[in-house]
Amino acid sequence: GENVEQHPSTLSVQEGDSAVIKCTYSDSASNYFPWYKQELGKGPQLIIDIRSNVGEKKDQRIAVTLNKTAKHFSLHITETQPEDSAVYFCAASIHTGTASKLTFGTGTRLQVTL
Amino acid sequence: GAVVSQHPSWVICKSGTSVKIECRSLDFQATTMFWYRQFPKQSLMLMATSNEGSKATYEQGVEKDKFLINHASLTLSTLTVTSAHPEDSSFYICSASRDEQFFGPGTRLTVL
Repeated sequence: GENVEQHPSTLSVQEGDSAVIKCTYSDSASNYFPWYKQELGKGPQLIIDIRSNVGEKKDQRIAVTLNKTAKHFSLHITETQPEDSAVYFCAASIHTGTASKLTFGTGTRLQVTL
Repeated sequence: GAVVSQHPSWVICKSGTSVKIECRSLDFQATTMFWYRQFPKQSLMLMATSNEGSKATYEQGVEKDKFLINHASLTLSTLTVTSAHPEDSSFYICSASRDEQFFGPGTRLTVL
């Protein structure tokens, strides 16, 4: 089955700096890669996703890149703010248009300091 | 849109009792819902896939007789933890699928 690795496990940046989180996946058939933000005591929230037919996607301060050949994808957050502090999870799945199982990475705890 | 709710948000029970957790998709119909378990500072682990009108599909290592799942309608799935023990204490999260998965806020279960 799919295996997703995520690095780093913790990341501390100063407000205004950029943060990068990287994930690798093992199943070349995976074609959907969402990123989730989870605040303490809450469920994960989808912040951005990318499909395998696209190499990069951007939404304001958040961007995701995908390298299918190397089987890795990354989350980039620019101009970080204290409210970006949370745990971020990457995930991968084989998306067929109907419900598909997600395999999650191990999570990255991002701390944005003033 | 795409709001998923869970009830209760937290529950404390005695060892040996059963606990039911509800997951509802409030503004869309979901033929498939997923149930996850998350231990402190760990990732989400898929427990089972719940399909409306049919039996749930459990992941390897998850006891189907202990974690009963019912998906009676397109907007409601329930997870019942039977004969709960302290090791079942965890954060249980559901998601409802409409092309992508939308997650509920989670239910924290503490078994004394």
